[in-house]
Amino acid sequence: GQQVQQSPASLVLQEGENAELQCNFSTSLNSMQWFYQRPGGSLVSLFYNPSGTKHSGRLTSTTVIKERRSSLHISSSQTTDSGTYLCALGSSSSFSKLVFGQGTSLSVVP
Amino acid sequence: AQTIHQWPVAEIKAVGSPLSLGCTIKGKSSPNLYWYWQATGGTLQQLFYSITVGQVESVVQLNLSASRPKDDQFILSTEKLLLSHSGFYLCAWSLRGLSNERLFFGHGTKLSVL
Repeated sequence: GQQVQQSPASLVLQEGENAELQCNFSTSLNSMQWFYQRPGGSLVSLFYNPSGTKHSGRLTSTTVIKERRSSLHISSSQTTDSGTYLCALGSSSSFSKLVFGQGTSLSVVP
Repeated sequence: AQTIHQWPVAEIKAVGSPLSLGCTIKGKSSPNLYWYWQATGGTLQQLFYSITVGQVESVVQLNLSASRPKDDQFILSTEKLLLSHSGFYLCAWSLRGLSNERLFFGHGTKLSVL
C-alpha cells in the first residue's frame, strides 16, 4: 500500500488565511522532507525535519515519529504560496531512496 | 554556491526515437545524484541514484538507463522511447545519503513523446 499519504489533496484559501497540510506514513521513518513544487514543475526544498518542530518565515514543520505524521503549517497565506506541497519519507531500510506523497495542491486567491 | 543545471528544458520526441537527458552539478565534490520522474498529475518516483562515478543503481524499471561518466554529471537515456515515458524528469543531489541529508533539485526537463 501507499507508504506516504498527504491530505488534503487540494485546498483553496483566501489570502491571509492559515493552512495545515498533513503527511502520514506507514513505515518506519529515518527522515522527512517537505518540498514546494512550482506550477512550472521545479521543486524547492522547504524543510528537512526528521523530528520535532522547525520554522522558516511563515512556514512551520512538525514531525511526530511515534504518531507517524508530519505537518506543514502556512500562516498568513499569500497568492505566491500557490502550488503543490510534497512530503517525502526516507526510511531506515534504504538510505538512498525518498518516497514522495501525492501532494497537496494549494490555491490562494486574493 | 552549488548549482544544478539540467538540459534540455523541454523535448518533443517520436515513439521509438532515442533520448538523452543531462544534469551537471557545480560547487559540490562527489555528491549523491538522483533521477526522478513525474507523470502528468502523478507522484514523483525515484528512478536511479549514484553515489560515485561509474556506479548507478536502478530503483524503478522504466526501460531507461542512467550513467555517471564524471563526478559532476548524470545522464538519463534510452534507445527507444515509449509513450509512457512522457512526463517531467528531475535531477537532484544530496551531500550524502537521504536518511540525513536534504535533497536539492534541478529545474527539470519536460518530455512529450508523440
